[in-house]
Amino acid sequence: GAVVSQHPSRVICKSGTSVKIECRSLDFQATTMFWYRQFPKQSLMLMATSNEGSKATYEQGVEKDKFLINHASLTLSTLTVTSAHPEDSSFYICSAKETSGGPSGELFFGEGSRLTVL
Amino acid sequence: AQKVTQAQTEISVVEKEDVTLDCVYETRDTTYYLFWYKQPPSGELVFLIRRNSFDEQNEISGRYSWNFQKSTSSFNFTITASQVVDSAVYFCALKPIYSGNTPLVFGKGTRLSVIA
Repeated sequence: GAVVSQHPSRVICKSGTSVKIECRSLDFQATTMFWYRQFPKQSLMLMATSNEGSKATYEQGVEKDKFLINHASLTLSTLTVTSAHPEDSSFYICSAKETSGGPSGELFFGEGSRLTVL
Repeated sequence: AQKVTQAQTEISVVEKEDVTLDCVYETRDTTYYLFWYKQPPSGELVFLIRRNSFDEQNEISGRYSWNFQKSTSSFNFTITASQVVDSAVYFCALKPIYSGNTPLVFGKGTRLSVIA
């Protein structure tokens, strides 16, 4: 099946620094990618929808200046957590929608990135 | 609006017991996909099944089986003869089929612990 790769899988950073997480579709094009956040022992909450070549659409309550999303190509979306604080520590997962599949195109998930802010 | 409810927060069973994880959903869409994912402690989501709303046939895959009841908006997941390796969090999810670029909506998950 199709593969979505996230990098890094784990990152530890100091408070105040910025961290970039990459989400790549390895063998298909993805016009749309989704970013989810998962707190410990909780469900996956959609943060934003990333569209290639345009601005991301953020869910209510998600700070767009805090979580910068860039979808510069059909195979790459990046999430940058700016000026990270301990409360940003979480598990971030992306999913990519196969462009060729139309509205019902298959969704594939990355392996997730665990961010720990000290 | 879409909503997925997994009422069981945590379940604990002894190895070899059968266990059923419940999933109830709400949607105004007439066509949609339902999913089950497994999330082991390592964190990645492991795809288990996708079922579209047209197909109410139950499905069996090895020790896993799924019971889709459109009349009750339920899509329950049964593991027979559970094993320790089945211990994980299981998520049920929903996605409209023809509503553009919509993401999956997840339930809150059920944490399954299988004790040896």
